[in-house]
Amino acid sequence: EDQVTQSPEALRLQEGESSSLNCSYTVSGLRGLFWYRQDPGKGPEFLFTLYSAGEEKEKERLKATLTKKESFLHITAPKPEDSATYLCAVATGTYKYIFGTGTRLKVLA
Amino acid sequence: EAQVTQNPRYLITVTGKKLTVTCSQNMNHEYMSWYRQDPGLGLRQIYYSMNVEVTDKGDVPEGYKVSRKEKRNFPLILESPSPNQTSLYFCASSFQGATYEQYFGPGTRLTVT
Repeated sequence: EDQVTQSPEALRLQEGESSSLNCSYTVSGLRGLFWYRQDPGKGPEFLFTLYSAGEEKEKERLKATLTKKESFLHITAPKPEDSATYLCAVATGTYKYIFGTGTRLKVLA
Repeated sequence: EAQVTQNPRYLITVTGKKLTVTCSQNMNHEYMSWYRQDPGLGLRQIYYSMNVEVTDKGDVPEGYKVSRKEKRNFPLILESPSPNQTSLYFCASSFQGATYEQYFGPGTRLTVT
């Protein structure tokens, strides 16, 4: 069965304290792995797409990496405005998207 | 501005009263999808559409219907809503298939009493 698991469920960081969020997946026919940011009461906002193991993408303080079993979202020197829920999703061989339940990140000033 | 719009944004209704949530995108995307988001369960795909007149079930299709008569519109229909369909609903679109990133609408918060 296709499955996406994110950890931790919640994370509190001090401003400037770097950390990583994990997304592990089991899926048949991975067509892509996606990271989104979701602010309270809003729709998810696209961050990155990764297609193959070894691929990395960067944007400001965020860096996403992909292996054959998991993806990491590294947050370097976070700021309070990085506080949000971060969602991981995979696109399967049957044209569906499967989302993890997300990591709620709180960055304290 | 490229966007996905949903209406209504908030809806309170009673059990059994048919309702439709509209979704429209202006990006000429082929793929459109509906999700529901519930605490602890995350986003779950209800239905998706690869193109006009082509739709398929996601993971939680029971109690929902969709149609795709035009490329830009993908309405979600609840013919006999029940309280367990109380949720936050999102429409999304992507350029093609399930290989590209999705763009999400602002969400519709539905309460069924």
